[in-house]
Amino acid sequence: NAGVTQTPKFQVLKTGQSMTLQCAQDMNHNSMYWYRQDPGMGLRLIYYSASEGTTDKGEVPNGYNVSRLNKREFSLRLESAAPSQTSVYFCASSEFWDIYYGEQFFGPGTRLTVL
Amino acid sequence: SQQGEEDPQALSIQEGENATMNCSYKTSINNLQWYRQNSGRGLVHLILIRSNEREKHSGRLRVTLDTSKKSSSLLITASRAADTASYFCATDDPDSWGKLQFGAGTQVVVTP
Repeated sequence: NAGVTQTPKFQVLKTGQSMTLQCAQDMNHNSMYWYRQDPGMGLRLIYYSASEGTTDKGEVPNGYNVSRLNKREFSLRLESAAPSQTSVYFCASSEFWDIYYGEQFFGPGTRLTVL
Repeated sequence: SQQGEEDPQALSIQEGENATMNCSYKTSINNLQWYRQNSGRGLVHLILIRSNEREKHSGRLRVTLDTSKKSSSLLITASRAADTASYFCATDDPDSWGKLQFGAGTQVVVTP
């Protein structure tokens, strides 16, 4: 089991360029998440997908779009990158039972620099 | 805004000592989770405690939850150099299933 994988691991963009961060999980989880982590801060939720076919905004969605391609894959797109989007991006997945969600499993992260 | 806030922000101890960190949160929760992050890595889940539980153990970890005070603590006993990491608490949002809010973390350094 690979768990949660993310590509690429590193990326440098120029202001205004676009890119898509890819995430895949092999644990058959229903829910997937995209976070960003800035120095000295915890993770902030960008978008999440509670189940295949649904996506919802998190705390900091501006400047991002997502696609839940299938149960396994959840991509994050930056349409026009800005220096403020320089960050480390983490994808995560989890499962739920009744009203309880379990632990989240995280990918290794993508380090993005926007010049 | 961050729901959970950890205290202290940083902690430096020697191997063999215990490390205690606290988390306070603002609104009601279904559960509270603790995660560890080694430098440059993704987060790893340590322990989950539900709102109807008061204490939970996992190996050298002990977590307490006081819902009346909206606070939790994580105790690492007999710390090792390998415990050097940042530790985050995360609370769920009862109105929006599956969403977690993370605190800014406690950076723990364990010196041999």
